[in-house]
Amino acid sequence: AQKITQTQPGMFVQEKEAVTLDCTYDTSDPSYGLFWYKQPSSGEMIFLIYQGSYDQQNATEGRYSLNFQKARKSANLVISASQLGDSAMYFCAMREGQGGGFKTIFGAGTRLFVKA
Amino acid sequence: DTAVSQTPKYLVTQMGNDKSIKCEQNLGHDTMYWYKQDSKKFLKIMFSYNNKELIINETVPNRFSPKSPDKAHLNLHINSLELGDSAVYFCASSQDIIRNQPQHFGDGTRLSIL
Repeated sequence: AQKITQTQPGMFVQEKEAVTLDCTYDTSDPSYGLFWYKQPSSGEMIFLIYQGSYDQQNATEGRYSLNFQKARKSANLVISASQLGDSAMYFCAMREGQGGGFKTIFGAGTRLFVKA
Repeated sequence: DTAVSQTPKYLVTQMGNDKSIKCEQNLGHDTMYWYKQDSKKFLKIMFSYNNKELIINETVPNRFSPKSPDKAHLNLHINSLELGDSAVYFCASSQDIIRNQPQHFGDGTRLSIL
């Protein structure tokens, strides 16, 4: 079974608009972390934002925010005021605690295209 | 200053050869990883070391052998390269094995098998 699911292979968004990239996860471990990474066409992996399973508030980092809905097991990334430089692959990842062997599992990614 | 550096950036070689990829981190992290990203961009963990000890070893052919001479270095040696080994290999590091800290990635090594 997929532990991390990103259902949108590709997304388009108009420059300056907000966009939501979906991510659902599956774990029985009570302690886990959720991450989003960006991979531009140049290939490097850039950490964007983190949400802990016990965190009460949604994480925010500049234009990035994470819409964490624990009961639904979803951790969607919201990018506000999209910029052309946001065009990239975006990966959702989950790191489980000891029950999951401390592994980080990545989703298949969503390719975001920002239109001028 | 590069936090996680891996060399070489590109590696083109023939089937059957043996090659190594080196990785070094200057972040003082305890834990290092190797990931493989295939042509469909799927990223999968291969190995993880914590303070020079192997802690994660996914189902990887034993042609792949990681070596960690110290906690700042994690090298990957691949014997008898096959066509299916063509991929981008990423090294990463994180603070330690216990805490949910983000991983810092190197820029990747694109391995192409002819």
